[in-house]
Amino acid sequence: AQRVTQPEKLLSVFKGAPVELKCNYSYSGSPELFWYVQYSRQRLQLLLRHISRESIKGFTADLNKGETSFHLKKPFAQEEDSAMYYCALLNSGNTPLVFGKGTRLSVIA
Amino acid sequence: DAGVTQSPTHLIKTRGQQVTLRCSPISGHKSVSWYQQVLGQGPQFIFQYYEKEERGRGNFPDRFSARQFPNYSSELNVNALLLGDSALYLCASSLALGELKRQFFGPGTRLTVL
Repeated sequence: AQRVTQPEKLLSVFKGAPVELKCNYSYSGSPELFWYVQYSRQRLQLLLRHISRESIKGFTADLNKGETSFHLKKPFAQEEDSAMYYCALLNSGNTPLVFGKGTRLSVIA
Repeated sequence: DAGVTQSPTHLIKTRGQQVTLRCSPISGHKSVSWYQQVLGQGPQFIFQYYEKEERGRGNFPDRFSARQFPNYSSELNVNALLLGDSALYLCASSLALGELKRQFFGPGTRLTVL
């Protein structure tokens, strides 16, 4: 069965420090991986997809199939990055998104 | 466009009661999915509907049911409420059946079961 693991419930960093939010997955095929973000009092929204290989708000994530990881990184954290971050997996076919439990990022001024 | 809308925003029920939650997708979106998010957990898939038909179901008991209307809006029904049904219920819409990678989420309905 597919599973997404986010080992940290809470991650606190100082403004300007690098950020890495960890995500590991278990799935035998070729999944699509996503990062969703939920800012305070806002709805859940897509941050980035591994397939796009894009950088959104300074965040990047690389899919490492060997380590089955999709860690989210940003070189210099900003206070406005404070939010809940969810890693999610979509396998082949029309199957639902599987979410991790989320990591709360707190950026301290 | 207001995006995906859900009603009500908050709801308080007692055990054994029944509840109906509503969702209006983004204009032009034909697929609606429902998720349950218990406090401290990520969203968990309940149902997907497309063109008024159920196209996917998560691991939830038969007390949970849903339907989609001709205008693509959707309702989620939960019967015989349990304390454990207390959660944020999210609705997400996408253009078509295979577009789960491009879902847009609503603000959610927070259900409290006492």
